[in-house]
Amino acid sequence: NAGVTQTPKFQVLKTGQSMTLQCAQDMNHNSMYWYRQDPGMGLRLIYYSASEGTTDKGEVPNGYNVSRLNKREFSLRLESAAPSQTSVYFCASSSGSVVYEQYFGPGTRLTVT
Amino acid sequence: GQQVMQIPQYQHVQEGEDFTTYCNSSTTLSNIQWYKQRPGGHPVFLIQLVKSGEVKKQKRLTFQFGEAKKNSSLHITATQTTDVGTYFCAGQTSGTYKYIFGTGTRLKVLA
Repeated sequence: NAGVTQTPKFQVLKTGQSMTLQCAQDMNHNSMYWYRQDPGMGLRLIYYSASEGTTDKGEVPNGYNVSRLNKREFSLRLESAAPSQTSVYFCASSSGSVVYEQYFGPGTRLTVT
Repeated sequence: GQQVMQIPQYQHVQEGEDFTTYCNSSTTLSNIQWYKQRPGGHPVFLIQLVKSGEVKKQKRLTFQFGEAKKNSSLHITATQTTDVGTYFCAGQTSGTYKYIFGTGTRLKVLA
């Protein structure tokens, strides 16, 4: 039982390049989330998916797209990376039942030069 | 849009002293969660509060949810070096699955 896994762990991109961050959970959770955390800051919600087949914008969706591929997987795509997207990206999942405890993955540290 | 603020931003305490962090939302919340993040790690869930005026305890940690469901606090009694990290609150408003995280309070405990 791995919980929430994220790949890659580290990535360096040049401005304008694209990439997809992968996230998978094996807890049969309905809801999944993507957050970004800038140095010394809190977590800001980028996109979330309340259930398979649905996605919604969070606080900072500009420059990102998401896909809820199936119940297990929720990917985040940067179409044209910018230095302002340098951050640590966390994926989380939640059962979406009475207690919405979010389980976080280990994070992807992304640097855009 | 909804905003969640936390104070203080940083707190240094001597081991054995108490610590409190406060969380304030601009809107009424349906529930609030607290998370702890160790340096270099990911957030780990501590607790969820749902009812107005609710108080919950976990060993040395006491969590409160305000009567108006717009504020919350986390109090740690007799801090230990293992309490080091950043504590975040996260609020959910009714009718949505999303959580807005507070700005966090970074706790340092001096031995």
